[in-house]
Amino acid sequence: SQQGEEDPQALSIQEGENATMNCSYKTSINNLQWYRQNSGRGLVHLILIRSNEREKHSGRLRVTLDTSKKSSSLLITASRAADTASYFCAPSQAGTALIFGKGTTLSVSS
Amino acid sequence: GAVVSQHPSWVICKSGTSVKIECRSLDFQATTMFWYRQFPKQSLMLMATSNEGSKATYEQGVEKDKFLINHASLTLSTLTVTSAHPEDSSFYICSARPGLAGAVGYNEQFFGPGTRLTVL
Repeated sequence: SQQGEEDPQALSIQEGENATMNCSYKTSINNLQWYRQNSGRGLVHLILIRSNEREKHSGRLRVTLDTSKKSSSLLITASRAADTASYFCAPSQAGTALIFGKGTTLSVSS
Repeated sequence: GAVVSQHPSWVICKSGTSVKIECRSLDFQATTMFWYRQFPKQSLMLMATSNEGSKATYEQGVEKDKFLINHASLTLSTLTVTSAHPEDSSFYICSARPGLAGAVGYNEQFFGPGTRLTVL
């Protein structure tokens, strides 16, 4: 198992703006997953991108993966106050447990 | 689909007592479940990996005699915090992984809503 490192640690934006957060990891992966956690709640699975994929979309979310740079990014377009949460990336090798970094805390103000 | 529940959602107990937390996969069979702990304003820390029918594998620094894990069926894992102390107060989150190696969804983990434990 390996841990992803999210950057920035904190991000504050206005409603309607786009939010971009990045994730770096150290060794080869089978897939990379992004999760959201609202304060005091469990994790919500947002998107999984496999190592042979470069980009994936889900609603207002866009995830990219660059395996040569061992990095991924999560873009949230047209942010809403409800997007306020912590976001975690989880790089994964097949069958291993997910290990989480400190995450990016996103604050969207109206 | 892929719903994981935890019970209770919160619990307050006295120091020295034991607390059991249940983690259930509601609509899939989970051969592997994971237990995490999260302190305020910190990330989730993996405590142990639980495979159905076998002993759990604990991460370094996690006391196996204090945090008893039982995974007796493909849909239920329990975490018992024995002789709880105030420093055990935390948010405990489980996750479950569907199926066996090579099965659809095998690489995904689905998380429960968490259990907030407060030890007085």
